[in-house]
Amino acid sequence: AQRVTQPEKLLSVFKGAPVELKCNYSYSGSPELFWYVQYSRQRLQLLLRHISRESIKGFTADLNKGETSFHLKKPFAQEEDSAMYYCALIGIQGAQKLVFGQGTRLTINP
Amino acid sequence: DVKVTQSSRYLVKRTGEKVFLECVQDMDHENMFWYRQDPGLGLRLIYFSYDVKMKEKGDIPEGYSVSREKKERFSLILESASTNQTSMYLCASSLPPANEQFFGPGTRLTVL
Repeated sequence: AQRVTQPEKLLSVFKGAPVELKCNYSYSGSPELFWYVQYSRQRLQLLLRHISRESIKGFTADLNKGETSFHLKKPFAQEEDSAMYYCALIGIQGAQKLVFGQGTRLTINP
Repeated sequence: DVKVTQSSRYLVKRTGEKVFLECVQDMDHENMFWYRQDPGLGLRLIYFSYDVKMKEKGDIPEGYSVSREKKERFSLILESASTNQTSMYLCASSLPPANEQFFGPGTRLTVL
């Protein structure tokens, strides 16, 4: 079964501090992983995907197959990073549907 | 830009009513999805569709049905609304095989 776990419902850090949002997954094959973000009063949108291996808005995420993790990191948090973040998985061999984690609400304090 | 629109932002219905939520996308995407979004539970897939007149159950299909008569439109139907269906409903679309999903603004449904 495919499952995505985000252990932190809420995360609060100060502006300028590093931030890490945790994501662990379970899937027997080779998954494709994503981070989606929802800013206040905006629609859910893709932040980044692991196959792109790029930094978006200063965020990066590395797929660690050994630890089955895909943590989202940013070295210096900004107030505009405050949002709801969802980790999601697609099983490459399976359907095209996303499996989402429970979400982490990130708050950046000034 | 891909545009996914949903017919209502807010909807209030009574228990037992039949409820229709409409979703339209303008980018000729094959795949369309309906999720519900609840605090602490994340997004859970209700139904999805790979093509016109095709539908597949997601993780929580009970109490819901869907209709896809045209490629651009995907409707979610609550045959007899219940209070536990009070939630935010999100529609999304994508191109196969495993591409980015584009989401609508959501419909906040309250069932009294």
